[in-house]
Amino acid sequence: EDQVTQSPEALRLQEGESSSLNCSYTVSGLRGLFWYRQDPGKGPEFLFTLYSAGEEKEKERLKATLTKKESFLHITAPKPEDSATYLCAVQAGGGGNKLTFGTGTQLKVEL
Amino acid sequence: DGGITQSPKYLFRKEGQNVTLSCEQNLNHDAMYWYRQDPGQGLRLIYYSQIVNDFQKGDIAEGYSVSREKKESFPLTVTSAQKNPTAFYLCASSEQGGTEAFFGQGTRLTVV
Repeated sequence: EDQVTQSPEALRLQEGESSSLNCSYTVSGLRGLFWYRQDPGKGPEFLFTLYSAGEEKEKERLKATLTKKESFLHITAPKPEDSATYLCAVQAGGGGNKLTFGTGTQLKVEL
Repeated sequence: DGGITQSPKYLFRKEGQNVTLSCEQNLNHDAMYWYRQDPGQGLRLIYYSQIVNDFQKGDIAEGYSVSREKKESFPLTVTSAQKNPTAFYLCASSEQGGTEAFFGQGTRLTVV
């Protein structure tokens, strides 16, 4: 059974204080690992897809990396508008297109 | 603008009543999904459809039903058999072939 574990559950940062969110996974044949951002009461917003170990993707202050067992979402010099819940999901080969999600990391960035 | 539209945003129903949640997409995606989100839990897959007139049960299909008569539409019915229907429901769509899924803005269902 595919599993995704995210840590920490919650993270409080000062503006400008860089940090990383972790996503550990077990999946039979990774087809893709996805990061989403979710604001309260809204649907998840797609951020990145990573397909193979060693791959990295960047968008503004966010950088996602992938190993064979985990992914990290690095946040550099965060701003209050980066406050949200960040979700990680995996897609297994042979499982159609369905995603298995972790429970998310709730990030709050304070002034 | 291309996207996924879920309606209504908020829905209130009495216990024992069936209710249907709407999901429409104009992204020309073949695959569509329904997820349920509860506090402290990850999104859980209810049903998914990879092509018109075909759909499969996800991890928590009991008490739910779907149809896929048109490529653009994938309505979800929450039946009276669903024991804990109060939740945030999310619809998503994707192209075939292992690409990212795009989500609607969700429907918050409250059953009293």
